[in-house]
Amino acid sequence: SQQGEEDPQALSIQEGENATMNCSYKTSINNLQWYRQNSGRGLVHLILIRSNEREKHSGRLRVTLDTSKKSSSLLITASRAADTASYFCATDARGSSNTGKLIFGQGTTLQVKP
Amino acid sequence: EAQVTQNPRYLITVTGKKLTVTCSQNMNHEYMSWYRQDPGLGLRQIYYSMNVEVTDKGDVPEGYKVSRKEKRNFPLILESPSPNQTSLYFCASSGQGVGGYTFGSGTRLTVV
Repeated sequence: SQQGEEDPQALSIQEGENATMNCSYKTSINNLQWYRQNSGRGLVHLILIRSNEREKHSGRLRVTLDTSKKSSSLLITASRAADTASYFCATDARGSSNTGKLIFGQGTTLQVKP
Repeated sequence: EAQVTQNPRYLITVTGKKLTVTCSQNMNHEYMSWYRQDPGLGLRQIYYSMNVEVTDKGDVPEGYKVSRKEKRNFPLILESPSPNQTSLYFCASSGQGVGGYTFGSGTRLTVV
């Protein structure tokens, strides 16, 4: 079963604009992670936010987490054409329940036009 | 270089012919997982392992087997592949502590 839903499914913006993607999930989590996937290739880990954190930054990425609403958002600032990819959130229950399950959302396809 | 290596990258096979997709990691990671990715369905976990000799089913385990005899290797076995197992498969690993997963480059499997 899929843990979460991502919104929007697809997003098209101009280079230099900001891109915001949202993720909702259903069960308790230990942390939430965001991954990026270029077409047909392996996923690359971008950022991880723990359940006791509310906001985290990494370069042009900003992630927020609202555990009361079971939702997270990923903001990419000053987007570049090279940011064109699919972005996935994934919830992780390791640590609290010692499972190895990492459950992915459906993903947001981002297109950044030059 | 720290990495997860899957082989083969591409495979076309016939229904019923047993196959194994290998996965190896060089990071001494405890956690390893297999996923399949299908259009419109996203990534779904097939099996995962928390350490040597410890494996558990994910969301779509039917038709697959795994083993974890060594820490670095986590092969995916399809005993009798069927066309509905045509998919893009990913192996991933992570350490015991809370952290992100490192993914392999993927195996595109076609069963005819």
